[in-house]
Formats: sequence, structure tokens, C-alpha cells
Amino acid sequence: AQSVTQPDIHITVSEGASLELRCNYSYGATPYLFWYVQSPGQGLQLLLKYFSGDTLVQGIKGFEAEFKRSQSSFNLRKPSVHWSDAAEYFCAVGANFGNEKLTFGTGTRLTIIP
Amino acid sequence: SQTIHQWPATLVQPVGSPLSLECTVEGTSNPNLYWYRQAAGRGLQLLFYSVGIGQISSEVPQNLSASRPQDRQFILSSKKLLLSDSGFYLCAWGVNYGYTFGSGTRLTVV
Repeated sequence: AQSVTQPDIHITVSEGASLELRCNYSYGATPYLFWYVQSPGQGLQLLLKYFSGDTLVQGIKGFEAEFKRSQSSFNLRKPSVHWSDAAEYFCAVGANFGNEKLTFGTGTRLTIIP
Repeated sequence: SQTIHQWPATLVQPVGSPLSLECTVEGTSNPNLYWYRQAAGRGLQLLFYSVGIGQISSEVPQNLSASRPQDRQFILSSKKLLLSDSGFYLCAWGVNYGYTFGSGTRLTVV
């Protein structure tokens, strides 16, 4: 069965600083990988996804993520954060067949300080 | 365009009362539909998914149930709520793994 680990429960960064959120997955084959963002009290919005091909994936809002098979990682990055990026971020993994179920990590809460 | 509606936004229910949460999708046909629960301080837990009318798969044994009476309608129910059913419930539909989530229902069981 697939699983996702987000080791950082809460991260605080200054506005304008760079950001990296960690995600490690466990899956027996090449996974489908995703990052979602959730604003307080809201549903989730897809930031980016990786299916195959180029291991560096560009997403919305200036985010990118890099798939590293050797490290079983799919870390999310942004070169310069904005106050509006404060939210909870979820990494997810899906099997590359079947009913498209996603397994989510426990999330990382991002706080931005001025 | 595709949209997903979920209601109510918030709900406070006493222990032992029934529950019905509804989710409808517009602008697509035969979507895969999902119910997730997000407990405080935890990630999203898949509760049920459906690949078609009347087809429900349960991921976690519990006192909740789901039904899909129409192609674009997905209902989460319980006959008797427990305190542990409190949480944030999210409905989603997916095509090619692109999930669109509803805005969620905050359920508090008291």
C-alpha cells in the first residue's frame, strides 16, 4: 500500500524568503505525486502533479516540485514566498492504475512572518 | 466548467443523531467521487469512493455509509453519530487524478 510522510508539521518563514516543504512517499512502482494547498476552512486546490517525464514540475502560484526516485521524495519549493502563501500544504500519492485513489500526508502548516 | 457543491458548510449534531451530507457535481458525467475526512491536526483520510451509480467502496470500517443514487450525487450518511465522527468532511471528484474538492462540511458532534 502506498503512504506519504510529511515530516514537518509546521514551518515559519519570512516573507520573501525561499521555501521548501518535504514529502517522502512509499510505493512499489513509479507513483503519481501531487501537492495540494488548503486555506483555512476551505477545500483543497491542486498546485502541481507529477506523472512521468521531466522530474522538475512547475505548478501554479510560482511553486515547483522535484521528483527524486532515489530518495523517494517530492519536495515542494518556492523561491520567494508571499503572505498569501500561508496555508496548509498536503502531499499525496496515487497508484498509476485503477480507481485514482489518493493517499495524503498529514500536511505542513506554513506561517509567513513579515 | 465543472463545479462541485457540498452542503451544509457547518453542522452541529448530538451524539446518536443521524447524518446526511450531500455532494453534487456539475459539468461532467460519470466522475469518480470521493469522501474524505480531515480530523483536527491530521491529514485526509479516504472514507469512500465511487466509480459509478450504486458502486461504493469503503476504505475504513466505521459507522458511516455512502450512497450514489445519481451519477453526479454522492451522499454520506450515518444512522447514529459518535463523538469521534467530528471533523471536516470533503467531497471530491476526480478525472485523471485531477481532484476538485468541495468547500467542505465542518461537523461537530456534541
